[in-house]
Amino acid sequence: DAGVTQSPTHLIKTRGQHVTLRCSPISGHKSVSWYQQVLGQGPQFIFQYYEKEERGRGNFPDRFSARQFPNYSSELNVNALLLGDSALYLCASSPGDRLAGYEQYFGPGTRLTVT
Amino acid sequence: KNEVEQSPQNLTAQEGEFITINCSYSVGISALHWLQQHPGGGIVSLFMLSSGKKKHGRLIATINIQEKHSSLHITASHPRDSAVYICAVTGNQFYFGTGTSLTVIP
Repeated sequence: DAGVTQSPTHLIKTRGQHVTLRCSPISGHKSVSWYQQVLGQGPQFIFQYYEKEERGRGNFPDRFSARQFPNYSSELNVNALLLGDSALYLCASSPGDRLAGYEQYFGPGTRLTVT
Repeated sequence: KNEVEQSPQNLTAQEGEFITINCSYSVGISALHWLQQHPGGGIVSLFMLSSGKKKHGRLIATINIQEKHSSLHITASHPRDSAVYICAVTGNQFYFGTGTSLTVIP
């Protein structure tokens, strides 16, 4: 079975631009969550979606948004990119409706560089 | 102040040594996770636990809910164990520590 997949692998954008990152969960998993990991730091929680509904949101500005599709894949959108948005963006899937109590399966990440 | 604190930040060990990484947290949790991250970014879940102790091969994870503390132990360490180990807790959201970078020298 395929694990969690993310695309693209790497991305370079300019300040002020918009970016869309994509994630496909493990087959059968209905929950997708997104994380930002700045170099040298631990990941930070951005969003969790379950059955196309937002179930959790971290402390990120409104420039960050996400959605989940009927096939449970997900997109993370970031508007008006800042240099500080340069990071590894990780997606994880799980079978449950909550983050708590379910093991998270992480994708390989998308490395975003904003210049 | 971080909700999850790990120590040490960096650790170098000789092959075969017993290794301990510590994690303390300050929020109410439903579960604690130990994750392994290799260069390049991929994260693998090692353990999820809410009480007691779990063992998988040479890895052992313990948690003390009253003291809000967890430890990850690696017995008979090997160079392939070299990675960043991250402690994370789930409560109303997912909080991560900054990681412990482990290097095991042959």
